Amino acid sequence: EDKVVQSPLSLVVHEGDTVTLNCSYEVTNFRSLLWYKQEKKAPTFLFMLTSSGIEKKSGRLSSILDKKELFSILNITATQTGDSAIYLCAVDSLTGGGNKLTFGTGTQLKVEL
Amino acid sequence: DTEVTQTPKHLVMGMTNKKSLKCEQHMGHRAMYWYKQKAKKPPELMFVYSYEKLSINESVPSRFSPECPNSSLLNLHLHALQPEDSALYLCASSQDAGQGRPDTQYFGPGTRLTVL
Repeated sequence: EDKVVQSPLSLVVHEGDTVTLNCSYEVTNFRSLLWYKQEKKAPTFLFMLTSSGIEKKSGRLSSILDKKELFSILNITATQTGDSAIYLCAVDSLTGGGNKLTFGTGTQLKVEL
Repeated sequence: DTEVTQTPKHLVMGMTNKKSLKCEQHMGHRAMYWYKQKAKKPPELMFVYSYEKLSINESVPSRFSPECPNSSLLNLHLHALQPEDSALYLCASSQDAGQGRPDTQYFGPGTRLTVL
């Protein structure tokens, strides 16, 4: 059975801090790893990673994938209160019926003033 | 434009009611998905449609019935639900590039369903 594990489960930091969120996985027929940010409703897409060692960057957020060790990290620098959310890691795998996302439990990030 | 829309935003229904959730996308995506998300849990896949054909059913009870009338629309018909079915129902879509190519799913805002 496919498995995605995120750590920490929750995190409280102060504005300006840098945070690192972790995601490890065990899946068959891996296609990609995706990071989403979920505030009150829909998960919002952040990154899709398919190749090891290539950093994806968007503003203060960056992410990298290690396909040998089966993990990914999401970094947020100079955190702001607007970064408070649940960050979901999901792995896209190819099944007999099509592609399937398996989500981790998420990391709840709270950024305080 | 990466917008997926869902209606209604909120739905309260009794256990004997029949209702439907709707999802729409105009990105030309050919794969559409239904997920169920309980409080403080990650989304769980229910159904996948690829090119308007049901390709994955994650052993969902028959009181949930999906329908894909065309490539832009996805419905979820609800009948005789139980209180434990109360959750946020999320729709997503993706390009479905096929041949095992990576594919990004974009989510709608969800329908918050309460079953009394």
